[in-house]
Amino acid sequence: SQELEQSPQSLIVQEGKNLTINCTSSKTLYGLYWYKQKYGEGLIFLMMLQKGGEEKSHEKITAKLDEKKQQSSLHITASQPSHAGIYLCGADQTGYALNFGKGTSLLVTP
Amino acid sequence: DADVTQTPRNRITKTGKRIMLECSQTKGHDRMYWYRQDPGLGLQLIYYSFDVKDINKGEISDGYSVSRQAQAKFSLSLESAIPNQTALYFCATSDPGQTDTQYFGPGTRLTVL
Repeated sequence: SQELEQSPQSLIVQEGKNLTINCTSSKTLYGLYWYKQKYGEGLIFLMMLQKGGEEKSHEKITAKLDEKKQQSSLHITASQPSHAGIYLCGADQTGYALNFGKGTSLLVTP
Repeated sequence: DADVTQTPRNRITKTGKRIMLECSQTKGHDRMYWYRQDPGLGLQLIYYSFDVKDINKGEISDGYSVSRQAQAKFSLSLESAIPNQTALYFCATSDPGQTDTQYFGPGTRLTVL
């Protein structure tokens, strides 16, 4: 099955700083989904990208899909404690369900 | 009210017991899924169903069974629970007519002793 590599695995940033999380695939991504999970809770859908070069924003979170559709980045501007959690990327590589990366754990310190 | 609900939210059981996890959704989606999440392994697909009469195994279906009682309900059973089934279990739904985005329930934390 398709593997999605996320980096970094974990991240600690000071409140107010910017950060970027990456999701890389060795194959073309035809639909890339970003989710946020608070520890021990369900996944909250953030954004979905389909077209090469596409960029979407929601509040202070921006996600991009590169032109080759093999890498996506999630950028958080001026991080806040409410941004803490696990960010997961998912992609439909099977035709019936999503494969997920292992997640990036984000901690925002005061 | 939440669109995708799961019951119970937490369960502790013993090896060999039969356990059923339930999922209900009010989104009107035909597609439903069961995943498990283990630390460091991400989410793995157990079963999926594209409609009431269509049920398929995912990558880790051994030791599990499912029942799609209605469009809105999809249950996961562990016939004889074992300790390595201790995990966080998620139900999800999607609509292929709406980008097929999956919407997840809050999860069930299952511990098998």
